[in-house]
Amino acid sequence: DIQMTQSPSSLSASVGDRVTITCRASQTISTYLNWYQCRPGKAPKLLIYAASSLQSGVPSRFSGSGSGTDFTLTISSLQPEDFATYYCQQSYSTPIFTFGPGTKVDIK
Amino acid sequence: QVQLVQSGAEVKQPGSSVKVSCKTSGDTFSGYGFAWVRQAPGLGLEWMGGIIPIFGAPNYAQKFQGRVTVTADGSTSTAYMELSSLTSEDTAVYYCARVTMVRGVPIFYFDDWGQGTLVIVSS
Repeated sequence: DIQMTQSPSSLSASVGDRVTITCRASQTISTYLNWYQCRPGKAPKLLIYAASSLQSGVPSRFSGSGSGTDFTLTISSLQPEDFATYYCQQSYSTPIFTFGPGTKVDIK
Repeated sequence: QVQLVQSGAEVKQPGSSVKVSCKTSGDTFSGYGFAWVRQAPGLGLEWMGGIIPIFGAPNYAQKFQGRVTVTADGSTSTAYMELSSLTSEDTAVYYCARVTMVRGVPIFYFDDWGQGTLVIVSS
């Protein structure tokens, strides 16, 4: 099975900061990597699919990059509504999916 | 935008089963897959299983094999997830999600989600 790890597990940042979250797969997954945002009491929201494609309606301050085993989600200028937990997900082994453990972004 | 509406919260006894439904609106049921994801208190997202038409039969995470059943009813545009032999560790919010494939390319993602169903397992 493909295992996903994320770093850091949590971070503190201020509004306007540039934030970078890393996701690593236990084996190469090409660009079959998605990113989701989870806010308390709300359903998860797709941000990025196929490693770097921005989902429709998602602000352009979110971007994704990477291929193979190492991936990055970047928020260029953190906004108040971005304080949330972010999860990567591999879809290389579809119909089997795996989420990473999550990275919590909170207010410094 | 597609709406996925899930059934309401449940309180279950240990050892029993729960069945959660997920009804879609519009004409977006046919041709799409559906996945079930749960989030236990204080923990992360966990893919449990799902059904994607091009793959035929449902698929399940190894952790839930033998305990979870995912079905889909095209006549009512509703997906279901049944989890049996419940324990307190199954207390969680359960989400259904629509699985979309990029046209012509085997890239899949979960682009629409239900509102979540809280399942509490307690005696």
